[in-house]
Amino acid sequence: DAAVTQKPRYLIKMKGQEAEMKCIPEKGHTAVFWYQQKQSKELKFLIYFQNQQPLDQIDMVKERFSAVCPSSSLCSLGIRTCEAEDSALYLCSSSQDWGGYEQYFGPGTRLTVL
Amino acid sequence: GDSVTQTEGLVTLTEGLPVMLNCTYQTIYSNAFLFWYVHYLNESPWLLLRSSTDNKRTEHQGFHATLHKSSSSFHLQKSSAQLSDSALYYCALSDDSNYQLIWGSGTKLIIKP
Repeated sequence: DAAVTQKPRYLIKMKGQEAEMKCIPEKGHTAVFWYQQKQSKELKFLIYFQNQQPLDQIDMVKERFSAVCPSSSLCSLGIRTCEAEDSALYLCSSSQDWGGYEQYFGPGTRLTVL
Repeated sequence: GDSVTQTEGLVTLTEGLPVMLNCTYQTIYSNAFLFWYVHYLNESPWLLLRSSTDNKRTEHQGFHATLHKSSSSFHLQKSSAQLSDSALYYCALSDDSNYQLIWGSGTKLIIKP
């Protein structure tokens, strides 16, 4: 079975603190995606990696987040200075390649910013 | 640019009734892939259905959808809703223009006894 791992499952930060969450993609998958989901609703694309290289990201990520994939088996998403609006479920997914391939999702990291 | 529209944000049904969740899309490319993902509470989202073949019915786990390129639609259907079908359902699009999925806004399906 496909298994994308995310840690931690829950993260509580105070406003202004730094946050970091990790994702272990499915073995052999070259594409990694990060999404933000607020209030169990819309999936908001954050950043996409192909073979560990970031190929696309939204402006919010460029400005306030840090995201890297130091190896094919580990990616991380960080928030430099947490804000209340960052409270959300952060989902990581991986796929064999981009486009029409199935994305396999991890369980997510639920971030609460107080 | 590409887009996916899910018109219903919330659908509430009684168990046993048929389910239909709407999905329409826009793309200038002919080789579109359409997906339905399901996200149960406290679980990981997963792929429910996928299709790129025009007018071919795709089925899985009791759900079915048919890609109609003429109307740019990929509606999700089930003949009889079950309580366990309560979840978030996302329609998504992929084609040659993008390396990522274009996601619809999601439809929350609640099935009541």
